[in-house]
Amino acid sequence: DAEITQSPRHKITETGRQVTLACHQTWNHNNMFWYRQDLGHGLRLIHYSYGVQDTNKGEVSDGYSVSRSNTEDLPLTLESAASSQTSVYFCASSESTSRYEQYFGPGTRLTVT
Amino acid sequence: GNSVTQMEGPVTLSEEAFLTINCTYTATGYPSLFWYVQYPGEGLQLLLKATKADDKGSNKGFEATYRKETTSFHLEKGSVQVSDSAVYFCALSDPGTGRRALTFGSGTRLQVQP
Repeated sequence: DAEITQSPRHKITETGRQVTLACHQTWNHNNMFWYRQDLGHGLRLIHYSYGVQDTNKGEVSDGYSVSRSNTEDLPLTLESAASSQTSVYFCASSESTSRYEQYFGPGTRLTVT
Repeated sequence: GNSVTQMEGPVTLSEEAFLTINCTYTATGYPSLFWYVQYPGEGLQLLLKATKADDKGSNKGFEATYRKETTSFHLEKGSVQVSDSAVYFCALSDPGTGRRALTFGSGTRLQVQP
């Protein structure tokens, strides 16, 4: 069965370190997204990609970057982790048009100390 | 811009009670509307969806009707179970803007007591 996976599931890191969160999907979807979930804010869009070599900033992109070298993967990098980036991060994918629902990974809980 | 407003939680109900979670939206075009559910420690799962006005989405006893005149997509269930305890998110996508990401409400936590 097709799926979307994230790793690691839990991560503790120190302020200032670079961290990369992995996202891998086997749906063969062109669209991939990264959201962060914080209490009282729902899910907020960090970065997204509509295909290989395409990346775009979302509403809360400061301090994050992504790259898309193939269809299956969209890793999220925190260049210099800050305590404000302690959150739960979700990766999602969808078919080409926005009429279609998104499929979500299980999430990565990141703690920055 | 687009936005989604959900009722504040938590919502606490007894088993077999009737559930309504209100959701209203603002969008520039003709959005698709979704309800997602998140069980503790898990990712979001699509619960139901509607892609045009007057459509009714349904799944697992949950229903929601796309009401363009009131810009609403309220979630209902006739008889909740303890296993329905979760966080519910209303969301929209608005293809008219070219944006394919979802816009989410803040989520409503449902607690069902036996």
